Amino acid sequence: EADIYQTPRYLVIGTGKKITLECSQTMGHDKMYWYQQDPGMELHLIHYSYGVNSTEKGDLSSESTVSRIRTEHFPLTLESARPSHTSQYLCASSDHNEQFFGPGTRLTVL
Amino acid sequence: KNQVEQSPQSLIILEGKNCTLQCNYTVSPFSNLRWYKQDTGRGPVSLTIMTFSENTKSNGRYTATLDADTKQSSLHITASQLSDSASYICVVSDGGSTLGRLYFGRGTQLTVWP
Repeated sequence: EADIYQTPRYLVIGTGKKITLECSQTMGHDKMYWYQQDPGMELHLIHYSYGVNSTEKGDLSSESTVSRIRTEHFPLTLESARPSHTSQYLCASSDHNEQFFGPGTRLTVL
Repeated sequence: KNQVEQSPQSLIILEGKNCTLQCNYTVSPFSNLRWYKQDTGRGPVSLTIMTFSENTKSNGRYTATLDADTKQSSLHITASQLSDSASYICVVSDGGSTLGRLYFGRGTQLTVWP
């Protein structure tokens, strides 16, 4: 079991709310990632980081933002949630060879 | 265009039976291919990882094969168990950096019935 954690696991919120999805890992990995996954679809990379103070946008355009102030922490923020943001969000970290995923956050925006 | 295609999209088998899942890719350059198991509502967990020179790799009842010439891989599950019910995702890395860019398939949804 990988030491990567996400909170909350499930979140139901109303349109227009600001939310932050938390992700932390205790493996000391420099590289961290956020993916978005809809049912039956492939994972899409929305943000990644190669280390502290490094953040990059991924392949899929996203209205979310991320920060990397500490190595172990990589939170994702939505300033104003919309129903189109309803999805599963997966956080991951990697060493040189392997990528480890967190359990995911299932977000529903009403 | 770099793509990873998996088949079948879904599969139902009876407990104790074997099954084989397929993955075809067009990713180039190729660094490695991974199979992940994703339980419903959970993150993917790595089963196997194979580089260009590896033809087969096993992890318990899971055996993955790779044909880098035809760009095909398969995941064979032996003596299936109810706990094997999950989505199985094929992921190909292009080796662009240390980990490389990862290309994900949509997964095969396996259901094992008692």
